[in-house]
Amino acid sequence: AQSVSQHNHHVILSEAASLELGCNYSYGGTVNLFWYVQYPGQHLQLLLKYFSGDPLVKGIKGFEAEFIKSKFSFNLRKPSVQWSDTAEYFCAVQSQGNLIFGKGTKLSVKP
Amino acid sequence: DTAVSQTPKYLVTQMGNDKSIKCEQNLGHDTMYWYKQDSKKFLKIMFSYNNKELIINETVPNRFSPKSPDKAHLNLHINSLELGDSAVYFCASSRTTATAVGGELFFGEGSRLTVL
Repeated sequence: AQSVSQHNHHVILSEAASLELGCNYSYGGTVNLFWYVQYPGQHLQLLLKYFSGDPLVKGIKGFEAEFIKSKFSFNLRKPSVQWSDTAEYFCAVQSQGNLIFGKGTKLSVKP
Repeated sequence: DTAVSQTPKYLVTQMGNDKSIKCEQNLGHDTMYWYKQDSKKFLKIMFSYNNKELIINETVPNRFSPKSPDKAHLNLHINSLELGDSAVYFCASSRTTATAVGGELFFGEGSRLTVL
């Protein structure tokens, strides 16, 4: 069965620090990859997605992610975080119509 | 205009009651979903409907029954509510389920269910 692992449960950073959130998945076939963000008290919103092509994907709000097929990874990065990036971040993998989420990483940014 | 709307947003009820959560999408999507997010923020798919047909039915108690009167609506009915049903339930929709195309999900704002 496919699964998605997010290694960091809670990340605490100061403003302007760089961010990298890890995501690994287990599935050998063709997949689509997503990062969703959930701000406090809100619904999930799409940050970025990878279907094919350039493995370095740029999303909204300065986020980017890199798909490394050999490592089954899709890590999320941002060079300089802001207080407003405080949220829960979910990696998700889609195959055969089923979207599986990781357990999420809570990001807290200190002003 | 809200793309995926759920009602009610908050629901507090007693154990043993029956309740429903409604979901509507105005995006013209073919596929709709119900996800459950527990207190640890873990998101788990419950059901998926494509053009009113059930295509994903994860291991969910029989007390949960989805109903899709048309492809723009997917309602969730829960019988005999239990304490463990307390969670936030998210409805979502996508244009397609085809992996090759990549069906991005659009989520509703969630319905927070509290069972006392």
